[in-house]
Amino acid sequence: DSGVTQTPKHLITATGQRVTLRCSPRSGDLSVYWYQQSLDQGLQFLIQYYNGEERAKGNILERFSAQQFPDLHSELNLSSLELGDSALYFCASSKDAGGRMGEQFFGPGTRLTVL
Amino acid sequence: DAKTTQPTSMDCAEGRAANLPCNHSTISGNEYVYWYRQIHSQGPQYIIHGLKNNETNEMASLIITEDRKSSTLILPHATLRDTAVYYCIARVGSGAGSYQLTFGKGTKLSVIP
Repeated sequence: DSGVTQTPKHLITATGQRVTLRCSPRSGDLSVYWYQQSLDQGLQFLIQYYNGEERAKGNILERFSAQQFPDLHSELNLSSLELGDSALYFCASSKDAGGRMGEQFFGPGTRLTVL
Repeated sequence: DAKTTQPTSMDCAEGRAANLPCNHSTISGNEYVYWYRQIHSQGPQYIIHGLKNNETNEMASLIITEDRKSSTLILPHATLRDTAVYYCIARVGSGAGSYQLTFGKGTKLSVIP
């Protein structure tokens, strides 16, 4: 158990819909990262927040957005869903902004299926 | 981040040492080598990281060549539970910038009974 929690575990929805994925980092961790894992693209970094502010952006679509709240939990919002958005979405946390000691701890993931 | 190259798959007999190689010939001086693994569809798990010196922890050992162009992750006594995809990642360790992990395809390690 990494100490990172993600809800829900599974999500099934239809094309065009909007969903919100939630992540609670390990106690004391200030950074939250979101990754997407699909069969054809592998594990890809989406976005990072550090202490409430966006820190880095990766291959995140404009239809996707995220935020980190004052209690440090984070939400990833996916809208206008397409079949290709079906994937595992992982959240990870680390103590600091990254740094050489900042190994990341991954949650169990949310499996999103878009029908 | 420097590109890393790993074999697609490897087998290892249970109880034997598993040696997983990684090539990172373009690694820069401030990039660390990180190893993560992913068991089935679980979240990736941090294993170990290093800069220049060899490192050891309760999970594994990391041997980095003197020129830092390659490294080897060693699982000293592989068990069936070590069957996973192992990712070698080169990433800056400090200073300004972002610290996301760039995952390649990794090495699928199968531990055989």
